[in-house]
Amino acid sequence: KAGVTQTPRYLIKTRGQQVTLSCSPISGHRSVSWYQQTPGQGLQFLFEYFSETQRNKGNFPGRFSGRQFSNSRSEMNVSTLELGDSALYLCASSTGASSTDTQYFGPGTRLTVL
Amino acid sequence: QKEVEQDPGPLSVPEGAIVSLNCTYSNSAFQYFMWYRQYSRKGPELLMYTYSSGNKEDGRFTAQVDKSSKYISLFIRDSQPSDSATYLCAMIEPGTYKYIFGTGTRLKVLA
Repeated sequence: KAGVTQTPRYLIKTRGQQVTLSCSPISGHRSVSWYQQTPGQGLQFLFEYFSETQRNKGNFPGRFSGRQFSNSRSEMNVSTLELGDSALYLCASSTGASSTDTQYFGPGTRLTVL
Repeated sequence: QKEVEQDPGPLSVPEGAIVSLNCTYSNSAFQYFMWYRQYSRKGPELLMYTYSSGNKEDGRFTAQVDKSSKYISLFIRDSQPSDSATYLCAMIEPGTYKYIFGTGTRLKVLA
């Protein structure tokens, strides 16, 4: 079974630009969660989508948004990029049937904002 | 104060040593506790999970939860250089699908 894939793996943007990251979950998984990982803050929950609906949301500003398509693939968008948005963005997929279902992580997208 | 606290390390040990990794948490409603391992340039992978208080063993790994102290531990016996990674503890916010992670402890096992 193929794992979680994320594209692109690396991205360099400048302040003020916007960016879209993509995540393809494991086949059959309907839940996709997004996390931001930085050295100082660790892994922080952004949001979780299940069957095209945002089911949970973390404490990030509205510049961070996401969506999920009918095939469970998900995209995350960050508008008006700031230097502090430089981070590793990870997505994780699970069946979504229970909150204790194992989340399987992708390799992440490394975003650098200059 | 963060909901989950974890010493960032780095922690360096000789091969064969017993490693103890720990997290403390503040929300007494947490019921489900996990340990993830993250190698450099990879996403985290689930190592172990446990419900409520007690011990759980899987090979060289033992997860321990003490709910009265709000303290969880991961022990690695006979540590190997391949165990060198960042170890993250995680808990699920009750009633949600939101995972709360510790910042991770970097472990280096020296051959």
